[in-house]
Amino acid sequence: KNQVEQSPQSLIILEGKNCTLQCNYTVSPFSNLRWYKQDTGRGPVSLTIMTFSENTKSNGRYTATLDADTKQSSLHITASQLSDSASYICVVSDGGSTLGRLYFGRGTQLTVWP
Amino acid sequence: EADIYQTPRYLVIGTGKKITLECSQTMGHDKMYWYQQDPGMELHLIHYSYGVNSTEKGDLSSESTVSRIRTEHFPLTLESARPSHTSQYLCASSDHNEQFFGPGTRLTVL
Repeated sequence: KNQVEQSPQSLIILEGKNCTLQCNYTVSPFSNLRWYKQDTGRGPVSLTIMTFSENTKSNGRYTATLDADTKQSSLHITASQLSDSASYICVVSDGGSTLGRLYFGRGTQLTVWP
Repeated sequence: EADIYQTPRYLVIGTGKKITLECSQTMGHDKMYWYQQDPGMELHLIHYSYGVNSTEKGDLSSESTVSRIRTEHFPLTLESARPSHTSQYLCASSDHNEQFFGPGTRLTVL
């Protein structure tokens, strides 16, 4: 069964600290993996997208890694800010069509305290 | 910021009412989607469209219906709302590589 599991479910950190969010998937075939940031009451916004051959990709203070062999990905946030408080969603595409079918994780709810 | 819009942003209605959630995009995308999301849960695809006059049901069974008469417009309709329809509804459109989401409509049915 194609699934995307994220951990932890929720996380609280102090402003300025780093954190790492995890994503494990069983989706096959694999096309790409995306990380989205979803602010409360808003739609998800794309942070990174990685294909099979990419191991790491950065977007400012966000760095995503991908290990396609173990089917694991992580999102590392450096020097957290209050505005980083949001849900971070891991999404895996199976590449069945041009965009592929998307499998969504439940997200990690990150809270950054001052 | 993606050019995809949803109205209303918030809606509180009584049981049995007919409602239409609006979604429009100005990016010229052929593919559009509707998702349902409950708090702390993953997004569930309820409808999608590959272009004008194309509509398909998604993975999650839904009593809603959609139409795609124009490329930029993909409204979702509930003929008779029930409390079980209370949820957040997210519209999205995509090009070949990326999916862009609207801000969502938070629907509450009393």
